[in-house]
Amino acid sequence: QQQVKQSPQSLIVQKGGISIINCAYENTAFDYFPWYQQFPGKGPALLIAIRPDVSEKKEGRFTISFNKSAKQFSLHIMDSQPGDSATYFCAADQGGSEKLVFGKGTKLTVNP
Amino acid sequence: EPEVTQTPSHQVTQMGQEVILRCVPISNHLYFYWYRQILGQKVEFLVSFYNNEISEKSEIFDDQFSVERPDGSNFTLKIRSTKLEDSAMYFCASSVWAEGEQYFGPGTRLTVT
Repeated sequence: QQQVKQSPQSLIVQKGGISIINCAYENTAFDYFPWYQQFPGKGPALLIAIRPDVSEKKEGRFTISFNKSAKQFSLHIMDSQPGDSATYFCAADQGGSEKLVFGKGTKLTVNP
Repeated sequence: EPEVTQTPSHQVTQMGQEVILRCVPISNHLYFYWYRQILGQKVEFLVSFYNNEISEKSEIFDDQFSVERPDGSNFTLKIRSTKLEDSAMYFCASSVWAEGEQYFGPGTRLTVT
């Protein structure tokens, strides 16, 4: 129940395309869903986050879509660029807990 | 822009030795965390710390691990007797409040030989 399932494991997109990464969860107590971007040898960097009171949040080229009834959320990267090539982790946190539960990550490669 | 810093960037130690990993959280943050990432795997929560106490810990965080905030700026993770399976990247993170955004440091790569 504490798991966050992330797919796909790897993704290859052409420059200018849309990258879509999906996550699903079981624990209905989760109420905070951040996405992190990690470059090799670096720490995870907070990219964008959403709470369940909204169904979508957009920041620049990055959008989170949230489907509470399906217990799914996804990251969309519009106009993907080679500089977006990184590993992306979804995560979740439940009220009353400080622990982030991470998905297994998606390695995104954007070809020029 | 304020950031979490960690030292050292890479630590090599022999099995059975004690190691201390150091972190300086963002200055106005009150909640501190340690996570680890075994090579190629997901990031795993170890412990959270608030008001000089552990507030939450995972099953990974056994008696071999301890955390401390020895002064107003540093936050440390000690592993008393390292094992080969402790080899991983260890990330420190901090947040302003309990359910707020967590900001991660660059990590310390621990190699146990």
